[in-house]
Amino acid sequence: ELKVEQNPLFLSMQEGKNYTIYCNYSTTSDRLYWYRQDPGKSLESLFVLLSNGAVKQEGRLMASLDTKARLSTLHITAAVHDLSATYFCAVDPLSSSNTGKLIFGQGTTLQVKP
Amino acid sequence: SAVISQKPSRDICQRGTSLTIQCQVDSQVTMMFWYRQQPGQSLTLIATANQGSEATYESGFVIDKFPISRPNLTFSTLTVSNMSPEDSSIYLCSVERDYGAHEQFFGPGTRLTVL
Repeated sequence: ELKVEQNPLFLSMQEGKNYTIYCNYSTTSDRLYWYRQDPGKSLESLFVLLSNGAVKQEGRLMASLDTKARLSTLHITAAVHDLSATYFCAVDPLSSSNTGKLIFGQGTTLQVKP
Repeated sequence: SAVISQKPSRDICQRGTSLTIQCQVDSQVTMMFWYRQQPGQSLTLIATANQGSEATYESGFVIDKFPISRPNLTFSTLTVSNMSPEDSSIYLCSVERDYGAHEQFFGPGTRLTVL
């Protein structure tokens, strides 16, 4: 059974600090997604990583994928309060077949304090 | 991105009743999916809604409990049947719009409370 594990599950940090969220998964996949969810809202797509070594950046967020280690990271640079949300990674375990099915991690709730 | 709407946005239902949730997309999409997010939890895939054929259900989900329709490439419904309080969740539809980009977009969700 495919498992997708994020850590930490909860992160409280000061504005201006840097931090990394980790996403480990247990089976081969070359398609990994990062989403943001604000309280009471739906999911907002942040990044789609489609190959080993892929790196994408948007503002203060940077995501990378290491398919050999089965690891993705979401790095936060100089955090601001507006980044407070829950972040999910998700893996398509059958990416070669393009089923589109996603297995989600537990989510990391980020709280950025002024 | 894709513009996805869901109806209703929320509902409170009595035990034993059924609720049908609609998902409408602003353009034709090949793949549509239904997910459940239980309170404070992550998302779990219920099924893939296949156009013109029966939905493909994930382990732990059955057609009798969660019948799905997909009459065309822009619309799908999910019914939560014979509801119990354990069905209280947010139900989200998602679409993979561009086959090449493999990006999935989520609808706003339907927040269901079963009393």
